[in-house]
Amino acid sequence: DTAVSQTPKYLVTQMGNDKSIKCEQNLGHDTMYWYKQDSKKFLKIMFSYNNKELIINETVPNRFSPKSPDKAHLNLHINSLELGDSAVYFCASSQDWQYAGQYFGPGTRLTVT
Amino acid sequence: GQNIDQPTEMTATEGAIVQINCTYQTSGFNGLFWYQQHAGEAPTFLSYNVLDGLEEKGRFSSFLSRSKGYSYLLLKELQMKDSASYLCATSGTYKYIFGTGTRLKVLA
Repeated sequence: DTAVSQTPKYLVTQMGNDKSIKCEQNLGHDTMYWYKQDSKKFLKIMFSYNNKELIINETVPNRFSPKSPDKAHLNLHINSLELGDSAVYFCASSQDWQYAGQYFGPGTRLTVT
Repeated sequence: GQNIDQPTEMTATEGAIVQINCTYQTSGFNGLFWYQQHAGEAPTFLSYNVLDGLEEKGRFSSFLSRSKGYSYLLLKELQMKDSASYLCATSGTYKYIFGTGTRLKVLA
């Protein structure tokens, strides 16, 4: 059983398109996250939801919009894709957002051409 | 603000012991985390420290000194499969920050 899953694993698209990445966790965790890892391997938090409520919203373009339909799902929608959006996007979850380790999904490699 | 520093690269020999250091500055400290990330894979949670001292988990141990803003990850009996990046992260007031990672190469 996969603990944190995300789809798709690979996404190749053209500039200007809109795309979504889906994430689901079956660990019963209360908190979910989206991270971006760029070509230099720096892992930067984008958003965090705790019990469906947005608690961390880092400085990311408003073309990125997270949506949490329930505690087990956190999707990421990206409008008007740009070349600089090319990266690996990781979803993660944890028991709580302060004191617990995070469990990561396998990542979605987004390539914008 | 929050800031994390860790060495960029380290090299060690199979069977040896290696210590990866991490210094941090944070407001509202809630804990220090270590993750392992193999090339092309997702990070894997290794350890969590919130109190001063050493936490041991098999071949891996993690140490924290809150007064010094310092932590280290100790890997014993190194194996080739330990070649990976090791990421230090802190949890603070509505903030979760990762360091840039230390790439560890284990040589035969």
